[in-house]
Amino acid sequence: GAVVSQHPSRVICKSGTSVKIECRSLDFQATTMFWYRQFPKQSLMLMATSNEGSKATYEQGVEKDKFLINHASLTLSTLTVTSAHPEDSSFYICSARAWGGTNEKLFFGSGTQLSVL
Amino acid sequence: GENVEQHPSTLSVQEGDSAVIKCTYSDSASNYFPWYKQELGKRPQLIIDIRSNVGEKKDQRIAVTLNKTAKHFSLHITETQPEDSAVYFCAANSGYSTLTFGKGTMLLVSP
Repeated sequence: GAVVSQHPSRVICKSGTSVKIECRSLDFQATTMFWYRQFPKQSLMLMATSNEGSKATYEQGVEKDKFLINHASLTLSTLTVTSAHPEDSSFYICSARAWGGTNEKLFFGSGTQLSVL
Repeated sequence: GENVEQHPSTLSVQEGDSAVIKCTYSDSASNYFPWYKQELGKRPQLIIDIRSNVGEKKDQRIAVTLNKTAKHFSLHITETQPEDSAVYFCAANSGYSTLTFGKGTMLLVSP
């Protein structure tokens, strides 16, 4: 199946710093990628849809100035958590859309555990 | 938009028993229903999927059934093993729409 690479896998930072997370589709082009946040033992919460060459679409309640998304190429989307605070600590996962016939198939990155001190 | 409900939220079984996870969806236009398995701290992995033109699909110990009339679909795992312990997510979409996920079921298989 398709491979999605996500880096870093773990990051620890001080409060107030910014953290960039990369999501790459390695063997296919992904015009659309998705960013999720996941708390322990909970479901995937869609934060935003990243579209190559255009602005991201954010879900209700997600601050676009806090979570900056850039999708500059068909294989790379980045999520920057700006001025991170302890409440931003979470597991962030990206996914890339690939088409299996007429339906979307999602392939996930390995996730990034963010800990803000 | 689509709404996917998943039950139970947690499921504990003994090794060798069967496990069943059920999902319902609201959009009658949905025609694709994948299931993902997520082990602790790892990425969700697609384990099986079904399209609306079939009622059942099997892959070794796992199977998925779909009832379009009732708008529900289920994941069946037989002869469970400890390595089946994980969180399982169902999802649904139609055509080019974004997948909508259920809230997940934590399956614990005890030796």
